[in-house]
Amino acid sequence: EAQVTQNPRYLITVTGKKLTVTCSQNMNHEYMSWYRQDPGLGLRQIYYSMNVEVTDKGDVPEGYKVSRKEKRNFPLILESPSPNQTSLYFCASTHRGASSYEQYFGPGTRLTVT
Amino acid sequence: DQQVKQNSPSLSVQEGRISILNCDYTNSMFDYFLWYKKYPAEGPTFLISISSIKDKNEDGRFTVFLNKSAKHLSLHIVPSQPGDSAVYFCAASASRFGNEKLTFGTGTRLTIIP
Repeated sequence: EAQVTQNPRYLITVTGKKLTVTCSQNMNHEYMSWYRQDPGLGLRQIYYSMNVEVTDKGDVPEGYKVSRKEKRNFPLILESPSPNQTSLYFCASTHRGASSYEQYFGPGTRLTVT
Repeated sequence: DQQVKQNSPSLSVQEGRISILNCDYTNSMFDYFLWYKKYPAEGPTFLISISSIKDKNEDGRFTVFLNKSAKHLSLHIVPSQPGDSAVYFCAASASRFGNEKLTFGTGTRLTIIP
């Protein structure tokens, strides 16, 4: 089954304690990205990757890092989490057709930073 | 600066009637538009898309209309069913520039009344 998986689904942590949210896709997609969803703001892109070893900032990259060492995995790293990073996070990978494309989203990771 | 706007946070529609969800955008570079549906505790799922070279795209009960001069698109669901109750996000991208990044609206919560 084609899917995007994220782990963990729920995480409560304390300010400053480094954490990683993993993301994996089994569809051999080149383009992957991370979003955060906050009330009244919709989904905002944090980082994206157009292929292995190619990453770039999205709209809200501050406080986050990513890596893309292999095509299927795109982890999101919070080196020193702060309460304003409490949010719902989604990983996505993009299928590109001949004249269209769509993003497949993971189930989400709800992060609380106290 | 919200480049994609969904001005109705919520909408209630009787089962069997038409649901119309609206979306406005400000960035004239956008040339590809998508609608996503999101249930609680799940990631967004792709519903339908439209390229700027078209003004209408249909898929079963779902039709998306694009008015480029007004920078407006709408999603029509006919007939509405209880399973359509969800949050709907409009998204846009400037795909001709090779950028598959999606800019999302803030979402409209659709409730179908049995």
